[in-house]
Amino acid sequence: EPEVTQTPSHQVTQMGQEVILRCVPISNHLYFYWYRQILGQKVEFLVSFYNNEISEKSEIFDDQFSVERPDGSNFTLKIRSTKLEDSAMYFCASEDSVILSSYNEQFFGPGTRLTVL
Amino acid sequence: ELKVEQNPLFLSMQEGKNYTIYCNYSTTSDRLYWYRQDPGKSLESLFVLLSNGAVKQEGRLMASLDTKARLSTLHITAAVHDLSATYFCAVEETSGSRLTFGEGTQLTVNP
Repeated sequence: EPEVTQTPSHQVTQMGQEVILRCVPISNHLYFYWYRQILGQKVEFLVSFYNNEISEKSEIFDDQFSVERPDGSNFTLKIRSTKLEDSAMYFCASEDSVILSSYNEQFFGPGTRLTVL
Repeated sequence: ELKVEQNPLFLSMQEGKNYTIYCNYSTTSDRLYWYRQDPGKSLESLFVLLSNGAVKQEGRLMASLDTKARLSTLHITAAVHDLSATYFCAVEETSGSRLTFGEGTQLTVNP
């Protein structure tokens, strides 16, 4: 069964460093998302991406964050200068075309745990 | 702004008992999801509810959706220890848009 994959599973970094989190969405999916979950809290939306551009972003997704689909298969989240409060689990999700079927849903990857020291 | 509220936030129950988790949301939506999350793990999709009156069942879990009341319920029947986890509901306002999650219900099933 196709699944969303994410690498690395755990990333430890020093405050102020740049990190890139990688995701491989399900093949042929068109909508891509990043969410984050601070330990013990709910899942929060960061950004959605469609047709090679950001379609929606939350107030959390400030200038320190960027997303890219560099090669048609990977979907990356970059944090330019990490802060302590960026420590969280980051989930990638993808969704098929919303036009084709009413049974589409967002499928989540296993997450990357980011620890900023 | 869409708000999603779950209750209770913490639920401790005995094995064999029944209970219901509630999920209220503030605006009309296209789709409602229920997820299970074990500690340190990803989100496991349990149900996707699309229309008013939708009811889905899988094992000891049954989810329903009332779009008029903007309410979804997750009913647990004859709970077993393996159901201990955190359960989230999430609402997709329109197709292809963000999911807005509830706070989660941390369920503990005691022997």
